[in-house]
Amino acid sequence: DGGITQSPKYLFRKEGQNVTLSCEQNLNHDAMYWYRQDPGQGLRLIYYSQIVNDFQKGDIAEGYSVSREKKESFPLTVTSAQKNPTAFYLCASSIVAGGPEQPQHFGDGTRLSIL
Amino acid sequence: GIQVEQSPPDLILQEGANSTLRCNFSDSVNNLQWFHQNPWGQLINLFYIPSGTKQNGRLSATTVATERYSLLYISSSQTTDSGVYFCAVLMRTGANSKLTFGKGITLSVRP
Repeated sequence: DGGITQSPKYLFRKEGQNVTLSCEQNLNHDAMYWYRQDPGQGLRLIYYSQIVNDFQKGDIAEGYSVSREKKESFPLTVTSAQKNPTAFYLCASSIVAGGPEQPQHFGDGTRLSIL
Repeated sequence: GIQVEQSPPDLILQEGANSTLRCNFSDSVNNLQWFHQNPWGQLINLFYIPSGTKQNGRLSATTVATERYSLLYISSSQTTDSGVYFCAVLMRTGANSKLTFGKGITLSVRP
C-alpha cells in the first residue's frame, strides 16, 4: 500500500546525544516536510524539501538537520543543540504542482523523549 | 506571518448531537485543509477546501475565502469523532509552499 512510514514509533535520547528519525514515502511525491507538535499545540514546520538534494528551513529549524539524498527518504536528525527535544514529530509529503496546491499527507509520527 | 485561530478550543457533545467548528485566518491563502488527529496521534486528512462547500458522509466543510474563514460541520456525532481537529492554511511564496496550523479544537463525544 502507498503511504508514509515513520520509524521508530518511540525514541529515547540521552543528554548530549544526536538521534535520527526516519521518514520514507512510496507515493512518488516530490515534496517532504518535518513538523514538531508539543502538547496542546498545533504543528510547527522544522524543515521541508521540494526536490532531491535541496531543502529549506522552516519556522523552528535550530537544533535540527536534514538530508534529501533520495526522493523517497527525508531523515531528520535531532542534535544535542536542541535543548528541548521532547515532542511528537510528524513527517508529511505532497505533490509539487505548478497549478493548484496539493494536500499534504502525514505519517503516524515518532514520539521522542529525553532520558 | 499568517495567523490561524480556531474556536472553540474545547467542545463536549452528547452522542448524536451536531456541531460547528470554526477557523479564521488573517491573510489570503492558496488553500486550506481540515485534519482530525485521533487519540493515537494519527493525522487524517478530512477536507482540502480552498473555497466552496464539500461533503463526506456526516462531515461537511465550507470555506469563504473572501471573508477569511472556514467551518467544519459534524452531524450526528459519534464517540469515534473524538480527538483534535486542526485547520491548516497553505500559502505559496515563489516556488515554496508553507502550511500553517491553528492550535486545534479538542472534541469529546460522550456516549
